[in-house]
Amino acid sequence: DAMVIQNPRYQVTQFGKPVTLSCSQTLNHNVMYWYQQKSSQAPKLLFHYYDKDFNNEADTPDNFQSRRPNTSFCFLDIRSPGLGDAAMYLCATSRGAGYGYTFGSGTRLTVV
Amino acid sequence: GQQVMQIPQYQHVQEGEDFTTYCNSSTTLSNIQWYKQRPGGHPVFLIQLVKSGEVKKQKRLTFQFGEAKKNSSLHITATQTTDVGTYFCADFSGGSNYKLTFGKGTLLTVNP
Repeated sequence: DAMVIQNPRYQVTQFGKPVTLSCSQTLNHNVMYWYQQKSSQAPKLLFHYYDKDFNNEADTPDNFQSRRPNTSFCFLDIRSPGLGDAAMYLCATSRGAGYGYTFGSGTRLTVV
Repeated sequence: GQQVMQIPQYQHVQEGEDFTTYCNSSTTLSNIQWYKQRPGGHPVFLIQLVKSGEVKKQKRLTFQFGEAKKNSSLHITATQTTDVGTYFCADFSGGSNYKLTFGKGTLLTVNP
């Protein structure tokens, strides 16, 4: 089945230690997104790629970076995780303008 | 981008009762999407509404888009325990047709 896969499902990292979350898709969708979701809150967009074009949200901290080496893969790099970065990180894809999103199962990040 | 306002924040019902969540915007929406997120899960796309006054049904779920395209609702008839979760509306805001901004969601709990 075509899908969006996030690895790992759970990630524990140390305060200040760089961490990378990964997302892959078999849907061949043009757009890939990274959302951060904290407990009992709505998902908050961090950035997205339309094909290779990177779009950063104005309020996304510099601590967060992303890479999309090809259509199928997208990575979220947190350079120096703080305690406030503990959250569920959701990857999503869409065909483009006006289409629904397909979300991955998410990576729950714990910072210790 | 502007966030749509969603009410109520929480709703607890007895199994078999109906449930409605509302989404409101101060500006005209191009379209609106609805997602369901089960506890511990990821958002799942339910539907997109595009036309003024549009009504769509999915089994016990009825989705409406207001005539002025400034509000939307999701109504569940005769809730079941499988309906438990957070229901989010989302709109394309910030001048982009492929960047969704989510409402804060309504958490539905169902007492069996």
